Amino acid sequence: DIQMTQSPSSVSASVGDRVTITCRASQSIRSWLAWYQQKPGKAPKLLIYAASNLQSGVPSRFSATGSGTYFTLTISSLQPDDFATYFCQQTDTFPQITFGPGTKVDIK
Amino acid sequence: QITLKESGPTLVKPTQTLTLTCTFSGFSLSDSAEGVGWFRQSPGKALEWLALIYWDDDKRYSPFLRSRLTITKDTSMNQVLLTLTNMDPVDTGTYYCAHLSNLELQLRWFDPWGQGALVIVSS
Repeated sequence: DIQMTQSPSSVSASVGDRVTITCRASQSIRSWLAWYQQKPGKAPKLLIYAASNLQSGVPSRFSATGSGTYFTLTISSLQPDDFATYFCQQTDTFPQITFGPGTKVDIK
Repeated sequence: QITLKESGPTLVKPTQTLTLTCTFSGFSLSDSAEGVGWFRQSPGKALEWLALIYWDDDKRYSPFLRSRLTITKDTSMNQVLLTLTNMDPVDTGTYYCAHLSNLELQLRWFDPWGQGALVIVSS
């Protein structure tokens, strides 16, 4: 079972800030990683797939890189709509996929 | 536009069987390269994948819950059902269904997701 970890667990930031979230896998997952955004009481929303591909309709201020065991999600200029929890998800062992614990981005 | 919506009981008693329905639109599970997955999010825990059904009725289950899970589809009704037997308070959480998207010919990404159905297990 591949374990996913994220850091930080939470971050306080202001509108306009650049925010970077890290996700690590317990073993290589090549580029089989997705990032999701989730707001309270709402469903997860796919932002990034295959480590760095922006899902259609997702603002270009979101970007992601990584491969193997280390991945990052960056929000270049935080907007009010971006305050949410972000999860990474590995699909290397699809369909037995696993998620990271999440990083909460809140207002400083 | 693809949409999914989960429905089912909010409260179940321990040892009972939970049946959840995912009703979807915007795609057909009789078309190739389509699938629907189920997930849950329990308080204080990471999202967890439960089961997946493909257009050809291929079914996959989480090895941790395989003995308790059944996933089926009703293509004519555009529905996918999930049953989880022998419910326990630790099964409390929000259950989601999601569409398996074919992005760049990769059938590994779930998008979109339903709004979720809260299930509480308590006597």
